[in-house]
Amino acid sequence: SAVISQKPSRDICQRGTSLTIQCQVDSQVTMMFWYRQQPGQSLTLIATANQGSEATYESGFVIDKFPISRPNLTFSTLTVSNMSPEDSSIYLCSAQINSDTQYFGPGTRLTVL
Amino acid sequence: EDKVVQSPLSLVVHEGDTVTLNCSYEVTNFRSLLWYKQEKKAPTFLFMLTSSGIEKKSGRLSSILDKKELFSILNITATQTGDSAVYLCAVLGTSYGKLTFGQGTILTVHP
Repeated sequence: SAVISQKPSRDICQRGTSLTIQCQVDSQVTMMFWYRQQPGQSLTLIATANQGSEATYESGFVIDKFPISRPNLTFSTLTVSNMSPEDSSIYLCSAQINSDTQYFGPGTRLTVL
Repeated sequence: EDKVVQSPLSLVVHEGDTVTLNCSYEVTNFRSLLWYKQEKKAPTFLFMLTSSGIEKKSGRLSSILDKKELFSILNITATQTGDSAVYLCAVLGTSYGKLTFGQGTILTVHP
């Protein structure tokens, strides 16, 4: 396995502002992902963070709203832009460590007022 | 579109009981099925299953996959209050790592 950290662990933000969430893995990994878990819901993949190229977004998610960076094999950021209360969720990063196993970071609980 | 359905959605038991959680799936190009335990925020990896009929075990937890019936179960024996959590089933159906999650089963274990 690997140690995955995220920060901030939680934040309360005002409508219209943006928040950048950081994800750090303690080893180099090829694949990193960002998920969203809305209240009472399961996890939904936002995008695959590709090192050295633009992220691959899932249907319903766009780069303008959720820009992602992946500057190296251990680090990625997700920005939630122009936030609204509907963006209140837990945001989780994951890393594929070996074969198909994905391990998750501790999550960022975002509340938008 | 890949689909994962878990049942029951919630379960309340007493310590010492045995529980069986179910996961059925429809997925294109199945690669593997994963079980996670979620307490608070972060899902914790439990098992990855790729082959039918091979049971994976870890302490009181075990899981098995049936690729013919597109089904997996997670068993927890002699449950403890610390087993209270949401149990998530996810399938990997493509080559690039997208996990499709079920709704989760909320397990509550009373003393």
